[in-house]
Amino acid sequence: AQTVTQSQPEMSVQEAETVTLSCTYDTSENNYYLFWYKQPPSRQMILVIRQEAYKQQNATENRFSVNFQKAAKSFSLKISDSQLGDTAMYFCAFGSGTYKYIFGTGTRLKVLA
Amino acid sequence: EPEVTQTPSHQVTQMGQEVILRCVPISNHLYFYWYRQILGQKVEFLVSFYNNEISEKSEIFDDQFSVERPDGSNFTLKIRSTKLEDSAMYFCASDRDRGFSGANVLTFGAGSRLTVL
Repeated sequence: AQTVTQSQPEMSVQEAETVTLSCTYDTSENNYYLFWYKQPPSRQMILVIRQEAYKQQNATENRFSVNFQKAAKSFSLKISDSQLGDTAMYFCAFGSGTYKYIFGTGTRLKVLA
Repeated sequence: EPEVTQTPSHQVTQMGQEVILRCVPISNHLYFYWYRQILGQKVEFLVSFYNNEISEKSEIFDDQFSVERPDGSNFTLKIRSTKLEDSAMYFCASDRDRGFSGANVLTFGAGSRLTVL
């Protein structure tokens, strides 16, 4: 069975600084997707970035980028130039050829002014 | 931008009561999901629904749970006889296509917080 582990329950970063959130996963599958979702205090989960396992190139979306290490089963999220609006719970999620995603327990990120 | 809408945002109920949580998925989406998040814990898959039937369900989704799409727009989750451990945030999600065509990802609603007393 697949598992997703986020080992950092809480993190904080100064505004304009860079922060990296960790995620590891376990699977025996070769084709899958990985996601980072953001859940602000308003509660709605929003997709931040996704990575296809068959792509070697790390995904980037503006200030958000990932470090995908397939062999190590690691999928970290880097947020550059952190903004106050980045304050949220961040969930790492794994998806494969089924209908469901497997989520981690989340990392609560607080950006400090 | 299209949204998944969930009602109610918060419901308090007595143990043993029936609860219906409602979701309006994005209009051209075909796949629908319920997830739940017990306070402080991970988001857990409950059930997926396509073509008016359940596609997949988790161990959590026992006989006390049911889903339906009664009118082509709403997607509901019913808990027949609530238990204390059903207290959680319930998220609805939808997808236009099966998730891994390479083009689509799940769009989540804001959630419905259920408190069972």
